[in-house]
Amino acid sequence: DVKVTQSSRYLVKRTGEKVFLECVQDMDHENMFWYRQDPGLGLRLIYFSYDVKMKEKGDIPEGYSVSREKKERFSLILESASTNQTSMYLCASSSLRDRGYEQYFGPGTRLTVT
Amino acid sequence: RKEVEQDPGPFNVPEGATVAFNCTYSNSASQSFFWYRQDCRKEPKLLMSVYSSGNEDGRFTAQLNRASQYISLLIRDSKLSDSATYLCVVTLSGNTPLVFGKGTRLSVIA
Repeated sequence: DVKVTQSSRYLVKRTGEKVFLECVQDMDHENMFWYRQDPGLGLRLIYFSYDVKMKEKGDIPEGYSVSREKKERFSLILESASTNQTSMYLCASSSLRDRGYEQYFGPGTRLTVT
Repeated sequence: RKEVEQDPGPFNVPEGATVAFNCTYSNSASQSFFWYRQDCRKEPKLLMSVYSSGNEDGRFTAQLNRASQYISLLIRDSKLSDSATYLCVVTLSGNTPLVFGKGTRLSVIA
């Protein structure tokens, strides 16, 4: 079974802190994604990556950056956390072997910025 | 105009009922279509793909109407365990990001 793990289930940070959210997948997937999910807004794509050291902006990249130094790991960075970044963050991966269609999600990190 | 639109619900139905969800998409170039399911406080998971000819998986039937840019999901004989949010998803191709609808919430009541 594909496993996507995220470093924390719950995280509380202060405004202005630098925050790192880590995601690791164990199925050698090429594609990795970061979303945030908010009530009434659904899943919104922040950044994605199709290969190591590659990144593409999604729909809402402002205030975020990412890093993919290894194929299995995709990190989301909040350079200076703000209260409007309080959200559920979901990481996902997929493979071109499956034509990239099925995304496997991690359990999510609920981030609260105070 | 939103790329993928769904009725947010909630749909509250008794056990055994048949319920249908609809979804419309704006990009006529979309090639692939899916329904994902998300349980409360859990991550989304693929429920089924949607094929042009329509497809069935047990109690679940998915249909696609390309001309109307419309996708549907029918659940027959609803079970309590079907209670979840159902996300309509489209993509242009295998290597472009999936576009998620906001989801339709279903509650099946005993």
